[in-house]
Amino acid sequence: AQSVAQPEDQVNVAEGNPLTVKCTYSVSGNPYLFWYVQYPNRGLQFLLKYITGDNLVKGSYGFEAEFNKSQTSFHLKKPSALVSDSALYFCAVRDRWYSSASKIIFGSGTRLSIRP
Amino acid sequence: GAGVSQSPSNKVTEKGKDVELRCDPISGHTALYWYRQSLGQGLEFLIYFQGNSAPDKSGLPSDRFSAERTGGSVSTLTIQRTQQEDSAVYLCASSSHQNTDTQYFGPGTRLTVL
Repeated sequence: AQSVAQPEDQVNVAEGNPLTVKCTYSVSGNPYLFWYVQYPNRGLQFLLKYITGDNLVKGSYGFEAEFNKSQTSFHLKKPSALVSDSALYFCAVRDRWYSSASKIIFGSGTRLSIRP
Repeated sequence: GAGVSQSPSNKVTEKGKDVELRCDPISGHTALYWYRQSLGQGLEFLIYFQGNSAPDKSGLPSDRFSAERTGGSVSTLTIQRTQQEDSAVYLCASSSHQNTDTQYFGPGTRLTVL
């Protein structure tokens, strides 16, 4: 069975500091990994995904994530946080063994709060 | 271009009533998904439509939940005999055939069952 865990309900960072939002996963085979962001009163937006290739994936709004197979992690990072980055972030995983995109499993979400 | 739209944005109903939630996917997107987001919870997969294939209903929590997609476009999620535990935000997403893994989400319908 596939699963994804976001161990932190909330992450607080000062503006200008680097941020990390943690995600670990469990799949039977090799994973497809995703990050989505949900801004207040708005729908979820795709940020980035890892399919294959370079372990460091760059996405929208200056975010990046690093796939670490040995630690089964896909942490989201940004070198310098902005107040506008404050939102709810979801990690998601799909097992490549499944042909259907419906088997994407989302984490419980991490609320990122950036203070000025 | 237009994104995924959902209606209504908010729905308040009484326990035992039926409700219908609507989703208009991005034009040309062949895949359509329904999720449920409860307070403090992640996204719970409900159902998935892909083209003319039989839908994947594996996430529907009970037989009170059903969904249909007419003409490969608009979808309606129906909840019969609503219960208080059905209260949540219901999200719809769509994706293209060429890029099924990138989902575009609608703003959601907030359902409150009194």
